[in-house]
Amino acid sequence: DTGVSQDPRHKITKRGQNVTFRCDPISEHNRLYWYRQTLGQGPEFLTYFQNEAQLEKSRLLSDRFSAERPKGSFSTLEIQRTEQGDSAMYLCASSLGPPDYGYTFGSGTRLTVV
Amino acid sequence: KQEVTQIPAALSVPEGENLVLNCSFTDSAIYNLQWFRQDPGKGLTSLLLIQSSQREQTSGRLNASLDKSSGRSTLYIAASQPGDSATYLCAVDISGGGADGLTFGKGTHLIIQP
Repeated sequence: DTGVSQDPRHKITKRGQNVTFRCDPISEHNRLYWYRQTLGQGPEFLTYFQNEAQLEKSRLLSDRFSAERPKGSFSTLEIQRTEQGDSAMYLCASSLGPPDYGYTFGSGTRLTVV
Repeated sequence: KQEVTQIPAALSVPEGENLVLNCSFTDSAIYNLQWFRQDPGKGLTSLLLIQSSQREQTSGRLNASLDKSSGRSTLYIAASQPGDSATYLCAVDISGGGADGLTFGKGTHLIIQP
C-alpha cells in the first residue's frame, strides 16, 4: 500500500491553457473522488467514480472541468481554458467504501494560473 | 444542505496543554465523521473515523467524540506538542461514500508554542 499518488505536485500555467492532473489511488480501492481546496477553505467535492463509472459529476465547477477513470484504476482531471480563479489545490481521495472505511487523500496538485 | 462549522478558526497554546477542537454539523443524518490533519501546502492525513453508531474513537493522544443527535463532534488532543501544529479538518459523510463525497468545515489552525 503506497497510498494515493498525485502528479504533478505543482503546476504553473498561463491563462487559457489546458491542464491535466493524474491520480493513482490505492490499488484495491474501487472508489475515487476529486476535491478542490482554495486558501482558507475546506476541500470542496467535485466528482466521484466507482470503478470506471463516473457516478456524480454535477458538482464539477463548470463545463471546462472533466474527469476520467478509463480502466477503473488511475484517474485524470482536466481543466480546459484555465482562468485565474482555477488556482487552487486539487486533491484526490480513494476508499474501499464508506461508511465502514474512511477516505485516504493524496498530497494534492497545486495549480497556479498566471 | 449539510453545513459543517469548526470552532475556533485558530488556536495558539503553549506546549503540554490539553485542548479541544469543536465541529458542528446541521443535518444529523450522517454515515460517519472523519477528522483530518493538514500541514501547510500538503494533502490530508486521516486521524480518526467515527461511525454514526459510535460515540468515540481514540488513537494515541487523540480522542474524538460524536454526538450525532446534537450534530457535534470534538477532537481532544492531550499533552500537545509543537509537532501537532497544523490545520485540523472535520468532515461528514452524508451519502455513505457515494455521490455527495465528504462535506468539510473550514478547519481549525492550531499552533503549539514550544
